[in-house]
Amino acid sequence: NAGVTQTPKFQVLKTGQSMTLQCAQDMNHNSMYWYRQDPGMGLRLIYYSASEGTTDKGEVPNGYNVSRLNKREFSLRLESAAPSQTSVYFCASSEAMGHLGDEQYFGPGTRLTVT
Amino acid sequence: AQKITQTQPGMFVQEKEAVTLDCTYDTSDPSYGLFWYKQPSSGEMIFLIYQGSYDQQNATEGRYSLNFQKARKSANLVISASQLGDSAMYFCAMRDANSGGYQKVTFGTGTKLQVIP
Repeated sequence: NAGVTQTPKFQVLKTGQSMTLQCAQDMNHNSMYWYRQDPGMGLRLIYYSASEGTTDKGEVPNGYNVSRLNKREFSLRLESAAPSQTSVYFCASSEAMGHLGDEQYFGPGTRLTVT
Repeated sequence: AQKITQTQPGMFVQEKEAVTLDCTYDTSDPSYGLFWYKQPSSGEMIFLIYQGSYDQQNATEGRYSLNFQKARKSANLVISASQLGDSAMYFCAMRDANSGGYQKVTFGTGTKLQVIP
C-alpha cells in the first residue's frame, strides 16, 4: 500500500501561473482533505471532501479550487498563483468523516514557491 | 470557535528522559476528539495518539501517553524514554461537532522537540 501520494513534490511558479496538485489514496477512504502549512501557523484546512462527489470549503479556500475525481483522487488547483500561496501543501485522507476518532493519513507534501 | 494552543515553540530533552509537550484546547462542545501528530524533518505527518472526550482512561500508545485533564482543557503528550528519533515537530489537534459534524480538524502551531544525546 502506498497510502497517500502527492505529486509533484516541489514546484516553482511565477505569479499568475496556474497548476494542479494531485493526490491519490489507496486505502479506500471516503474522506479527503487539502491543508497548507506555513511557518508558525500549523496546518490550515483549504478544502475537504466528505465523500465522492462532494466538496466543501475549509478555513482558507480563497484562490483555490478542488475536484474529487473519484473515490481515490482529490486534486487542488491554483488558477492564478500569488506569492501568498507559497507554502507546503498536504493532502490527507480518513476512513469516514463524521466519526470523532477518525484519524487522518497524510501524504508527503508538496513544497510550492510562487515568485 | 475551537482553538488549540501549544505554548512551547521549542523544547530540549536528554536522551532516555521523559518529556511533556503541552496542549490546551477550547471548545463548548461536550463531544470532541484530541489528536497528536509527529512531523519529522522529512516532512510527513504521522498520527501518534487519540483521546476522546468521554474516554475514562488516558490514552497510551507504546512510549506515548496523553495526560488528559478535562476540567483544565489540557491534553499534554508525554513521551517516555526519549530517543534521538523523537526529534521532530509535534502537533496537537482537535475535532468537535462545532466544526460542522466533526468534519474539520484544527491544529495547533506545534512544538519542536530536540533530543540531546
